[in-house]
Amino acid sequence: GNSVTQMEGPVTLSEEAFLTINCTYTATGYPSLFWYVQYPGEGLQLLLKATKADDKGSNKGFEATYRKETTSFHLEKGSVQVSDSAVYFCALRGSNYQLIWGAGTKLIIKP
Amino acid sequence: EPEVTQTPSHQVTQMGQEVILRCVPISNHLYFYWYRQILGQKVEFLVSFYNNEISEKSEIFDDQFSVERPDGSNFTLKIRSTKLEDSAMYFCASSEGRGGNQPQHFGDGTRLSIL
Repeated sequence: GNSVTQMEGPVTLSEEAFLTINCTYTATGYPSLFWYVQYPGEGLQLLLKATKADDKGSNKGFEATYRKETTSFHLEKGSVQVSDSAVYFCALRGSNYQLIWGAGTKLIIKP
Repeated sequence: EPEVTQTPSHQVTQMGQEVILRCVPISNHLYFYWYRQILGQKVEFLVSFYNNEISEKSEIFDDQFSVERPDGSNFTLKIRSTKLEDSAMYFCASSEGRGGNQPQHFGDGTRLSIL
């Protein structure tokens, strides 16, 4: 069945550091891939998405590229800020309705 | 920007009692969903709803659960007889369609605590 694996957190970085959060998936067919972010005390917000191989999703300085050959969708940001501290979730949607989620990665940015 | 709203933000209920969680999806969206996240675990799909009927449900969504769209704006999740293990954060989501370019938008969640 479909599944998503994310790197375990927490990930702790200093402000302006480069961020990578790894996400790999297992799926039949051609899923759509998503990153959601959950800020403290808030709900799940869509951060970015990609719907086919080699698509790059981007938003708020974050990027992720849909790599079919490595079944990956790693999240990157060139220079993180304290305000980026949150939990980040990788998710996929296959041919049905539901989103399949990774476990979430907590990101802590220190000033 | 339109958003999904959920009420209440926190619900405390005695085991065995019925609970109804409420959601107002984004107004032009046609697909509605419930997910839950038990503390420390992954977000799990419960059910999707389209055209006034359930389109897909997970193994978690047993006979104790039901969903309803009682009017043009609300979408509710009912748990008939709550158990301790129902304690979780419940998220409602909606989308315009099913395509990858029509992602699911989530509310802030209802934290359900069963005593």
